[in-house]
Amino acid sequence: DTEVTQTPKHLVMGMTNKKSLKCEQHMGHRAMYWYKQKAKKPPELMFVYSYEKLSINESVPSRFSPECPNSSLLNLHLHALQPEDSALYLCASSQGDRDQPQHFGDGTRLSIL
Amino acid sequence: AQSVTQLDSQVPVFEEAPVELRCNYSSSVSVYLFWYVQYPNQGLQLLLKYLSGSTLVKGINGFEAEFNKSQTSFHLRKPSVHISDTAEYFCAVSDRGTGGFKTIFGAGTRLFVKA
Repeated sequence: DTEVTQTPKHLVMGMTNKKSLKCEQHMGHRAMYWYKQKAKKPPELMFVYSYEKLSINESVPSRFSPECPNSSLLNLHLHALQPEDSALYLCASSQGDRDQPQHFGDGTRLSIL
Repeated sequence: AQSVTQLDSQVPVFEEAPVELRCNYSSSVSVYLFWYVQYPNQGLQLLLKYLSGSTLVKGINGFEAEFNKSQTSFHLRKPSVHISDTAEYFCAVSDRGTGGFKTIFGAGTRLFVKA
């Protein structure tokens, strides 16, 4: 069982919908991450939160909006997505952001109609 | 900026045979290296890490890797693979960017173990 929990596991939405992806960890980790992974590709970093503050935004389109309500939770708000945004979205957490390995959730598989 | 090259996109191997998955990184003063495995429909799981110290690193599931600074390599090895080792393997390096450190992943190597 993974220690990083992501919900929902699957999500199908239209291009005009608004939805949110959720991620939760209770390991006391202070860094949390969102990745996008297309089939047969490595994860691509989207956002990094360090001590609940956004520290890295990899030039992600504004239709993706991250939120870190507290040290255990990370959300990704979605609005007006495009078909090319269909992918597996992975959340991860780590003790620190330099030399500590990341713990990944099993992801949310997102399909945009 | 750091980069990671995984030299093989696919590695087919028979069960109980040894395997080596190759990884090279770009040079840096200090480097933190990781190998992750991804099984179908799952997230990534850490196999092993190199932060400092002994250049031979042992990980889970019988895997090990050797850090070679002169060749800037961090190859993953297992002496005898099982069918259950079939998965995607990612080599990764920690890199300092604007705003903090982030993990740079290689393109991945698909290990396919045949009976």
